[in-house]
Amino acid sequence: GAVVSQHPSRVICKSGTSVKIECRSLDFQATTMFWYRQFPKQSLMLMATSNEGSKATYEQGVEKDKFLINHASLTLSTLTVTSAHPEDSSFYICSASNRGLGTGELFFGEGSRLTVL
Amino acid sequence: GESVGLHLPTLSVQEGDNSIINCAYSNSASDYFIWYKQESGKGPQFIIDIRSNMDKRQGQRVTVLLNKTVKHLSLQIAATQPGDSAVYFCAESVSLSGTYKYIFGTGTRLKVLA
Repeated sequence: GAVVSQHPSRVICKSGTSVKIECRSLDFQATTMFWYRQFPKQSLMLMATSNEGSKATYEQGVEKDKFLINHASLTLSTLTVTSAHPEDSSFYICSASNRGLGTGELFFGEGSRLTVL
Repeated sequence: GESVGLHLPTLSVQEGDNSIINCAYSNSASDYFIWYKQESGKGPQFIIDIRSNMDKRQGQRVTVLLNKTVKHLSLQIAATQPGDSAVYFCAESVSLSGTYKYIFGTGTRLKVLA
């Protein structure tokens, strides 16, 4: 199956710093990538949808200036958590889809655990 | 963001028994559904999918049933094994104004008892 790589898998940072998480589709061109956030023992919450070459569409309640998403190519999307605070600590998961694959299946990265001190 | 942030319900099943995990979805216009398995600290893993023009689909040891009338999805796992212990999520694909997104259900933790 298709592979999505996410990096870094774990990151610890100080409050006030910015952190960038990368999401790459390794063997297919992802026209659309989705960023999710997951708190412990909870479901995945969609943060934003990004299409290559255009601005991301953010879900209600998600601060676009706080969570900057860039989808510069068909194989790379980045999420930057700006001026991170302890409440931003979470598990961030990216996923990629290419409906051209036929199934519409969503392929997930392994997630990035962010801890803000 | 969307999705319900509730604590996960748990289903405990004896090894070798069949498991049935249920999911209610929200949008009657959703045309595609996926079941995912998530192990601790990892990203979701695809199990099986089904399109809205079907009501049943079978895979290896798994079956997905779709009831569009009541917006209900279920995942049946035959002969449940210890390796099946994980959290299971259903996801619905919602198309809006030419774009689409995937919304996840609450999730169910499956515990397989030896």
